[in-house]
Amino acid sequence: EAQVTQNPRYLITVTGKKLTVTCSQNMNHEYMSWYRQDPGLGLRQIYYSMNVEVTDKGDVPEGYKVSRKEKRNFPLILESPSPNQTSLYFCASSFVVQGFSEQYFGPGTRLTVT
Amino acid sequence: KQEVTQIPAALSVPEGENLVLNCSFTDSAIYNLQWFRQDPGKGLTSLLLIQSSQREQTSGRLNASLDKSSGRSTLYIAASQPGDSATYLCAVLPLMDSSYKLIFGSGTRLLVRP
Repeated sequence: EAQVTQNPRYLITVTGKKLTVTCSQNMNHEYMSWYRQDPGLGLRQIYYSMNVEVTDKGDVPEGYKVSRKEKRNFPLILESPSPNQTSLYFCASSFVVQGFSEQYFGPGTRLTVT
Repeated sequence: KQEVTQIPAALSVPEGENLVLNCSFTDSAIYNLQWFRQDPGKGLTSLLLIQSSQREQTSGRLNASLDKSSGRSTLYIAASQPGDSATYLCAVLPLMDSSYKLIFGSGTRLLVRP
């Protein structure tokens, strides 16, 4: 089944404790990105990647890092989480060759930083 | 700057009604438009993708139309069911944005009453 998976689905952590949210897709998509969703602010892009080893900042990259060592994986790293990073996070992927195809989203990771 | 607006913000209908959700966008320079469904606290499920050259797409009881020149899209749901209750989001992929991020509307929260 074609899908984007994220782990963990739920996470409660404390300020300053480094964490990684994993994202994996099995559709051989070149493009992957991370969004966060907050009430009243909608979905905002954090980082994106056009292909392996090609990443760039989105609209709200502060406090986050990413890497793209393999085509299927695009982990989101919070080196020192803070309470303002409490949010619902989504990973997405799509093809880019010959124009953009449908974007597929993962099930979301609900992060709470206390 | 591309902006996406969805009207109404909320809608409550009795089961069996046909209904229309509206989406408007300010810049017609888009790759495509995508409709999503989001259940409370859950992920985004892609419903329909309309490429910029297309006028409509259909999937089961759903039909989405696109009028790029006027900056409008509609999602038509036939014979609504309680299971259709969710938030519906439309999103456009702008042509002139190297991040290829989707620009989302704020959604229409649909309740279908049994």
